[in-house]
Amino acid sequence: DAKTTQPPSMDCAEGRAANLPCNHSTISGNEYVYWYRQIHSQGPQYIIHGLKNNETNEMASLIITEDRKSSTLILPHATLRDTAVYYCIVRVASLDNYGQNFVFGPGTRLSVLP
Amino acid sequence: DAGVIQSPRHEVTEMGQEVTLRCKPISGHDYLFWYRQTMMRGLELLIYFNNNVPIDDSGMPEDRFSAKMPNASFSTLKIQPSEPRDSAVYFCASKDRGSGNTIYFGEGSWLTVV
Repeated sequence: DAKTTQPPSMDCAEGRAANLPCNHSTISGNEYVYWYRQIHSQGPQYIIHGLKNNETNEMASLIITEDRKSSTLILPHATLRDTAVYYCIVRVASLDNYGQNFVFGPGTRLSVLP
Repeated sequence: DAGVIQSPRHEVTEMGQEVTLRCKPISGHDYLFWYRQTMMRGLELLIYFNNNVPIDDSGMPEDRFSAKMPNASFSTLKIQPSEPRDSAVYFCASKDRGSGNTIYFGEGSWLTVV
C-alpha cells in the first residue's frame, strides 16, 4: 500500500472550514484514499473515500488532486465535536480485499478552538 | 443497527489473571477484526476473521493471546496470563465483503493490567 504523510497537528476555529492535507505521492492507479477519524475514547469512524473524483457526503468533502498524489479532507463548518485524530489511508478496494494490514498511521490531531 | 458491540468497556485486572474480551459484530458482516491501540504503537491489527475463520493472526503478539469466533455473531479475544504491558484499548471491528475498506469499529475495551 502507498505510504501517506500527514501533518501531526492542526488547529481550526469553530465554524470555519478545516482543511486536512494528506500526501500519497506513491499511490497506484487502483488505490483509493480513505479517511477515518478517532474522537477521544471512541473507536475510529469512517468518514469518506474516493478514487480520483472529488467526493462529498454529509460529513465532509474529499478533494483529490488531478495527479492523485495528494488529497484534502474538508470539514466545511468545524464544530468542537470535530476535535479528533484524522487518519488518511490509501488502500486497494476490491471485493477480495480483506482489510489486512489496514494500517492507521499517526494521523493529524485536529483541535477545533472556540 | 446497534453497531459493533464490545464488552467489557473497562477492565482492571491483576497480572497473571485471564482476560476475555467479547465482541458482537454488525449483523450480516462477514469480516471481523481485532485491533489494539496504545500510545507507543498506535492502532495495530492483531487478527481478522472471514466467515468465522481466522485468516491472518500475524499481528497477535505472542502465545498468551488467542482469539476465537464460534459463530457469525460472536468473537472473543483472550489473554492468559495477562501482563502489565498488555494494558491498552482493544477494538473490535467488522465489515461486509462488499464495503471495501469501510470498516466499522466498536467503542473499545479499555484494559488495565496492574
